[in-house]
Amino acid sequence: DQQVKQNSPSLSVQEGRISILNCDYTNSMFDYFLWYKKYPAEGPTFLISISSIKDKNEDGRFTVFLNKSAKHLSLHIVPSQPGDSAVYFCAASVGWTLNFGKGTSLLVTP
Amino acid sequence: EAQVTQNPRYLITVTGKKLTVTCSQNMNHEYMSWYRQDPGLGLRQIYYSMNVEVTDKGDVPEGYKVSRKEKRNFPLILESPSPNQTSLYFCASSLRTGGVSEAFFGQGTRLTVV
Repeated sequence: DQQVKQNSPSLSVQEGRISILNCDYTNSMFDYFLWYKKYPAEGPTFLISISSIKDKNEDGRFTVFLNKSAKHLSLHIVPSQPGDSAVYFCAASVGWTLNFGKGTSLLVTP
Repeated sequence: EAQVTQNPRYLITVTGKKLTVTCSQNMNHEYMSWYRQDPGLGLRQIYYSMNVEVTDKGDVPEGYKVSRKEKRNFPLILESPSPNQTSLYFCASSLRTGGVSEAFFGQGTRLTVV
């Protein structure tokens, strides 16, 4: 049973615009949320995270928002760049486990 | 350079022939784990280890074994591989001891079982 859901398999955005990637979760015990970025033929790389006690975390062009009541988080990339084209995985943690969503493929077009 | 190293990167094997995929990290991380990535299913956790000699099952442990005899190494063992274990495998390590923090991933091992 998928506890972390990324309902959009793909997203296309123009360069310079905002990319918004969404993630929903079902387990209210998750206490830490992370976003990973993955290029083809490479392992996922950590992008940004947020603790369940916060509702926003920002790192340069990347901002993650957490809405605990809705069990929803989102990743905003502003401005989007062609190099951001990759698969983005949302992940949620409780205890020693890390649960991933299925990923969203982002394409940033010039 | 901080890294997680998996070997081999690519492997084709036959059903039933035991194999081991090695994973090594040089960051002195306590937490290590294995994932498989399949189309439409994302990343699923196979096994994880909180420290030396401490391992536990993830979401899809059937058909796999692991061991953690040293802190830096966490091999994945397929005693009798089957075609449904054809997948892309990732090893990861993480520092945080009270749970899971930002994990560093290896480059992946693409396994084909025929």
